[in-house]
Amino acid sequence: AQSVAQPEDQVNVAEGNPLTVKCTYSVSGNPYLFWYVQYPNRGLQFLLKYITGDNLVKGSYGFEAEFNKSQTSFHLKKPSALVSDSALYFCAVRGSSYNQGGKLIFGQGTELSVKP
Amino acid sequence: GAGVSQSPRYKVAKRGQDVALRCDPISGHVSLFWYQQALGQGPEFLTYFQNEAQLDKSGLPSDRFFAERPEGSVSTLKIQRTQQEDSAVYLCASSTSRGEDNQPQHFGDGTRLSIL
Repeated sequence: AQSVAQPEDQVNVAEGNPLTVKCTYSVSGNPYLFWYVQYPNRGLQFLLKYITGDNLVKGSYGFEAEFNKSQTSFHLKKPSALVSDSALYFCAVRGSSYNQGGKLIFGQGTELSVKP
Repeated sequence: GAGVSQSPRYKVAKRGQDVALRCDPISGHVSLFWYQQALGQGPEFLTYFQNEAQLDKSGLPSDRFFAERPEGSVSTLKIQRTQQEDSAVYLCASSTSRGEDNQPQHFGDGTRLSIL
């Protein structure tokens, strides 16, 4: 069965410091991996995706993510956090086989809090 | 150039009433998804349309839930005889892909449903 785990409910970071939000996955075959961000009372906004190729993926707003196949991880990173990055972050996986369709399987989410 | 639009943004209903939630996807998007997001949780897949065809409805929790997309554009999620456990945010997403490739899904801001 496909699944995604975000082991931290909350991550606290000081503004200007690097941040990491962790994600591990379990899926049959090669995974398609995504990160989304959700601000209060809003829908999810796409940040970045890993399909194939370079293990370091760059996305919106200065975020990047590192794909590690041996550790089945896809951690989200940013070199210097901003207060405006404070939000709820979701990792998601989609199976790459046709019969698995396009549905996304999300983790539980990680609340990122960046303090001035 | 509008994004995915959902209406109403908030819906309060008494237990036992029927409700209908509307989704206007991004123009030209082939794929449309519905997700249910309970408080403090990640979104969970409900159903998927490719144009007007409902290709996957494996996530619908009961036969009280029904979704349609008759002309391949606007979609409606209907919940009959609502129960308190139906209280959640219902998210709609659309994508240019046919569901099996790597295009990101674009989310609306959701409908927050509260059942009294």
